[in-house]
Amino acid sequence: AQSVTQLDSQVPVFEEAPVELRCNYSSSVSVYLFWYVQYPNQGLQLLLKYLSGSTLVKGINGFEAEFNKSQTSFHLRKPSVHISDTAEYFCAVTLSGTASKLTFGTGTRLQVTL
Amino acid sequence: EAQVTQNPRYLITVTGKKLTVTCSQNMNHEYMSWYRQDPGLGLRQIYYSMNVEVTDKGDVPEGYKVSRKEKRNFPLILESPSPNQTSLYFCASSLMGGASKGYTFGSGTRLTVV
Repeated sequence: AQSVTQLDSQVPVFEEAPVELRCNYSSSVSVYLFWYVQYPNQGLQLLLKYLSGSTLVKGINGFEAEFNKSQTSFHLRKPSVHISDTAEYFCAVTLSGTASKLTFGTGTRLQVTL
Repeated sequence: EAQVTQNPRYLITVTGKKLTVTCSQNMNHEYMSWYRQDPGLGLRQIYYSMNVEVTDKGDVPEGYKVSRKEKRNFPLILESPSPNQTSLYFCASSLMGGASKGYTFGSGTRLTVV
């Protein structure tokens, strides 16, 4: 069975600073990887996804993530954050090829301050 | 507009009083799933359905029931709610074999059991 670990429960950062949210996964077979964002009192919105091909994936709102198979990681990055990026971010994994259980990490709360 | 609709958005109920949270999607998705979100635990799958009349347990099915009589609807039933079921619930849907397209989430139902 697949699993996801988000090492940081909270990440405080100043506006315009870069940020990296860490995600590691565990699976014995090929996976698809996702990052979702949840703004306060809202549902989940897909930021980006890795299916295959290029290991650097670009998403919405200036976010990108890099798939590293040898380190089983899928870290999310943004070179310059904005106050509006304050939200909870979830890394998720599912087995490739078919819709199946989407397994989520425990989430990282990104807090951007002036 | 393609969407997953959950109702109600907010619900406060008393222990033991049966309730149903509805979920409907208009995308002709085969796969539907319920998750609960709790602080520090991320999202955990309760039940899922791969098609009409096909349902199966997720990671935390105790105390919940589901049914899938129509493709578009996947209600979550709490026959005898307890305070430990106080949580934020999300319904999600996807095409079978379409994990690559990601999952569409509803806006969530915040349930409080007193």
